[in-house]
Amino acid sequence: GQNIDQPTEMTATEGAIVQINCTYQTSGFNGLFWYQQHAGEAPTFLSYNVLDGLEEKGRFSSFLSRSKGYSYLLLKELQMKDSASYLCAVKDSNYQLIWGAGTKLIIKP
Amino acid sequence: ETGVTQTPRHLVMGMTNKKSLKCEQHLGHNAMYWYKQSAKKPLELMFVYNFKEQTENNSVPSRFSPECPNSSHLFLHLHTLQPEDSALYLCASSPRNSGDQETQYFGPGTRLLVL
Repeated sequence: GQNIDQPTEMTATEGAIVQINCTYQTSGFNGLFWYQQHAGEAPTFLSYNVLDGLEEKGRFSSFLSRSKGYSYLLLKELQMKDSASYLCAVKDSNYQLIWGAGTKLIIKP
Repeated sequence: ETGVTQTPRHLVMGMTNKKSLKCEQHLGHNAMYWYKQSAKKPLELMFVYNFKEQTENNSVPSRFSPECPNSSHLFLHLHTLQPEDSALYLCASSPRNSGDQETQYFGPGTRLLVL
């Protein structure tokens, strides 16, 4: 079966750095997405990785290792508004998105 | 403003009621999706429409009936639901349902409670 694993919940301090991991086992791979979802709101696109390596976008970076079936989302200089759930999703061989259950990130002052 | 709107935002219904969820996208996309999001569970893909044709039905019970009259509008008709159907129902759209970097854009969802 297809599976995406990510931690259920993480806590970090304002101004710090946090890394949210995602491991996947899917039938084929056509890219990995990270979405942010604030409580009661729509998931919004953060990043896309299809090749190995690090993609940096402002305070957020996403890393991919296809051989290890592993990705992480790195958030720097954390702000209170970063408190949200972060969803990892992989496109399989049929170009369908397989979703993780999401990581709830709590930022403390 | 994501370009994808959903109504109603909240819905409470009894098990014998019939209701419909509406989704509209203003992004010029050709693919639309219905997802179910339950607490602490992955998003569950329910239906996919590509150029108004249904291309995916993930073994969804017949009490959920989708309708896609055009590429901008998507409906989910609900009848004789069960309490376990209570969840957040998300609509999404993308340029088309193929390609690797196709990004899906989501609406804010309808929070459904079945009593």
